[in-house]
Amino acid sequence: DAMVIQNPRYQVTQFGKPVTLSCSQTLNHNVMYWYQQKSSQAPKLLFHYYDKDFNNEADTPDNFQSRRPNTSFCFLDIRSPGLGDAAMYLCATSRDGRDNEQFFGPGTRLTVL
Amino acid sequence: DAKTTQPPSMDCAEGRAANLPCNHSTISGNEYVYWYRQIHSQGPQYIIHGLKNNETNEMASLIITEDRKSSTLILPHATLRDTAVYYCIVRVAITDKLIFGTGTRLQVFP
Repeated sequence: DAMVIQNPRYQVTQFGKPVTLSCSQTLNHNVMYWYQQKSSQAPKLLFHYYDKDFNNEADTPDNFQSRRPNTSFCFLDIRSPGLGDAAMYLCATSRDGRDNEQFFGPGTRLTVL
Repeated sequence: DAKTTQPPSMDCAEGRAANLPCNHSTISGNEYVYWYRQIHSQGPQYIIHGLKNNETNEMASLIITEDRKSSTLILPHATLRDTAVYYCIVRVAITDKLIFGTGTRLQVFP
């Protein structure tokens, strides 16, 4: 089945130690998104790629970076995780962004010690 | 982007219709109403969307008022598996973004 895959499902890192979360998709969609969801809160968009074009949200901290080496993969890099970065990180895709539904992966739960 | 207002929680008996309201009084003419839900510890799942007309699919119905200032998501026969947080989102047609509000936590009970 076509899907959005996130690895790992659970990630533990230490305060200040860089961490990378990965997302892959078999849907061949043009747009890939990264959301942050803290406990008991709604998902918050961090940034998205339309093909190779990167679109950052204005309030996304510089500590968060992203890479999209090809259509199928997208990475979220947290350069120096703080305790406040502990959250569920959700990856989503859509065919061309406009009037299409977004397909979400299961998320990666990040713990910062 | 227009904001949405939803009740924080609702209950529904299994087998009954669940009617989830959403207010979006500042919606513009080119903004769509989207509904997603998020079951505990899973990623959000698309349910339905509409612009002006009422919409129905295999999961739910979406009723949009004529002035488009509010809408209702209807799950016709709620099951225990429908227990989730339901998000009503107003989305500008030309953007790629979903801005999630606080959502309604629906609890379906036996």
